[in-house]
Amino acid sequence: ETGVTQTPRHLVMGMTNKKSLKCEQHLGHNAMYWYKQSAKKPLELMFVYNFKEQTENNSVPSRFSPECPNSSHLFLHLHTLQPEDSALYLCASSHSWDSGVNTGELFFGEGSRLTVL
Amino acid sequence: QKEVEQNSGPLSVPEGAIASLNCTYSDRGSQSFFWYRQYSGKSPELIMSIYSNGDKEDGRFTAQLNKASQYVSLLIRDSQPSDSATYLCAASIWSARQLTFGSGTQLTVLP
Repeated sequence: ETGVTQTPRHLVMGMTNKKSLKCEQHLGHNAMYWYKQSAKKPLELMFVYNFKEQTENNSVPSRFSPECPNSSHLFLHLHTLQPEDSALYLCASSHSWDSGVNTGELFFGEGSRLTVL
Repeated sequence: QKEVEQNSGPLSVPEGAIASLNCTYSDRGSQSFFWYRQYSGKSPELIMSIYSNGDKEDGRFTAQLNKASQYVSLLIRDSQPSDSATYLCAASIWSARQLTFGSGTQLTVLP
């Protein structure tokens, strides 16, 4: 298994659909992240989980709902999205910031390309 | 507002030349600095990290950090067409417990 796996890789949905993005990491990390990447913009941090607890919600609209059932899995539930939400959604993991071994390095999955019609 | 600024490019260099990528950051509390490479349609991958002032070399890559000037750079020697990608600069602040990314510089190495 590769380090950080995201599914699906591509998703097309209508504005009234409900879908979910899934992320799984096999690196033994305890921190997981959702980032949004739009064209010509910096990576935008959306959510951070540390040991399954959400530690950051970067003013993300409620139509994005994260879930972290354990340190290895992270979901992003999508509901009533807008066309401007079309982007590449990247999951990442790292050692916990409290672990003493965190260097700040993030390990990214391949991303889920979302298109909202 | 914590920011990391990069020239968006595109930056074009001929094969075999030195490519120089620059980055500035606004928060003096930034402690660790990273360069990620992102090929089109792919996710970012870490290529260099630097934590203290000076130069750090790894193969054809050299990262340079000047905390007084709040400046980070990446030099790629003997550039190859396979180096063509977007290079993302990132800075981490332990107190904020997050990594802040620049918007990236698109590099094209011409054969």
